[in-house]
Parts: sequence; structure tokens; C-alpha cells
Amino acid sequence: KQEVTQIPAALSVPEGENLVLNCSFTDSAIYNLQWFRQDPGKGLTSLLLIQSSQREQTSGRLNASLDKSSGRSTLYIAASQPGDSATYLCAVRRGGGGADGLTFGKGTHLIIQP
Amino acid sequence: KAGVTQTPRYLIKTRGQQVTLSCSPISGHRSVSWYQQTPGQGLQFLFEYFSETQRNKGNFPGRFSGRQFSNSRSEMNVSTLELGDSALYLCASSDIAGTNSPLHFGNGTRLTVT
Repeated sequence: KQEVTQIPAALSVPEGENLVLNCSFTDSAIYNLQWFRQDPGKGLTSLLLIQSSQREQTSGRLNASLDKSSGRSTLYIAASQPGDSATYLCAVRRGGGGADGLTFGKGTHLIIQP
Repeated sequence: KAGVTQTPRYLIKTRGQQVTLSCSPISGHRSVSWYQQTPGQGLQFLFEYFSETQRNKGNFPGRFSGRQFSNSRSEMNVSTLELGDSALYLCASSDIAGTNSPLHFGNGTRLTVT
């Protein structure tokens, strides 16, 4: 059974810092990995999707990497801003067509101090 | 383009009752999936529908059911509600099921069972 772990569970940093969020998964047979953010009382917003054949994806100040063999992904946020404060969730879709839905980690609660 | 719309936003029900939640996907999206989010268990996959067919179901009892209509709108039903069913229920849509298309989530329905 796939398990996804996110470390740290919470992180508070001053504005302007670069930071890294970590995600690990137990079964390397994944179809893809997605990073989401969730604001309080809201749904999830898709940030980046990395296909199993890819090593990284970039969008603006965000960069996500994937090392399937070691079961790890990182989300790098450059020049953090208070608006980046949210819970960041990592999710994997199982390989073989991915009909099982996504398996999520518990998230990293990020606070950027102005 | 309008996002994923879930109705109602909030529901309060009594133990033993049943409830129906509704989800309208992004226009053109034919895949709809449902997730339950609780503080203890995090996000858990309920089921996924594509072209009116259930592709897969997560590890939930038979009290949880769903369906998808020809216009891709989806409903989920929970019968004989239990206190533990209190959660945020999130619906997500994508253009094709089980692929590298990112999921787009609605803001969820907050269900409270008393």
C-alpha cells in the first residue's frame, strides 16, 4: 500500500527566504506526482505535476523535482512571500493507468512572516 | 472558464440521516473524482467517474456511493450518517481519467454530523 510522508509538518520562515518542502513515497511505481496548495477553508490548487518519466517541473518561483528510484520529491520555493502561506500537499498516482485516485501526504503547513 | 462548483458549501445533518452532495466539473472535463478530508486521516480517495462509469472506489463502506450524469455532473450520497463522516468532501475534475492531466478541485462541502 502506497504511503506518502511530508516533512516538515509545519514551517515558519521570514519573507524572502528560499525554502524546500520534502515528500517521500514508499512505492516507486508511480504514474505521476502532483504538488498542491490549500488555503484555509478552500479546495486544492494544483501547482505542478511531474510525470514519472520527468525529473523536474518549474512554474514561476516554484520548482519540483522527482527521484522515483529513491521515492522522493522536493518543492523549492524561491524568494518566499506572505502570499505563499498555505498548506502544501504532495500526492502520487499509482502506475499502470492510475485508476486508484491520488494518495496524499498530510501536508506541510507553511507560514511566511512579513 | 468556471472552476469546479460544489453545492452546498455547508451541511449539518443528524446521525442516521442521508445526504447528497453535488459537483459540477469544469466545462469539457469528463472525469470527476471525490475525496474526503479529515484532520486525522487527511485526504482519502472515495471514487472516480469517467463517462458515467465508476472507474474505481477507495476503501470506504458501501454507505458511500456516487454517480455521474451524461453532462459530467456528479453526485455523491452518504446513507445512515455516522459522526465520523463529518469531513470536508472535495470534488475534482480533469479532462481525461487516470492520466497526466492535473486535477482541479472545488472548494468542497463541509459536512457536520451531530
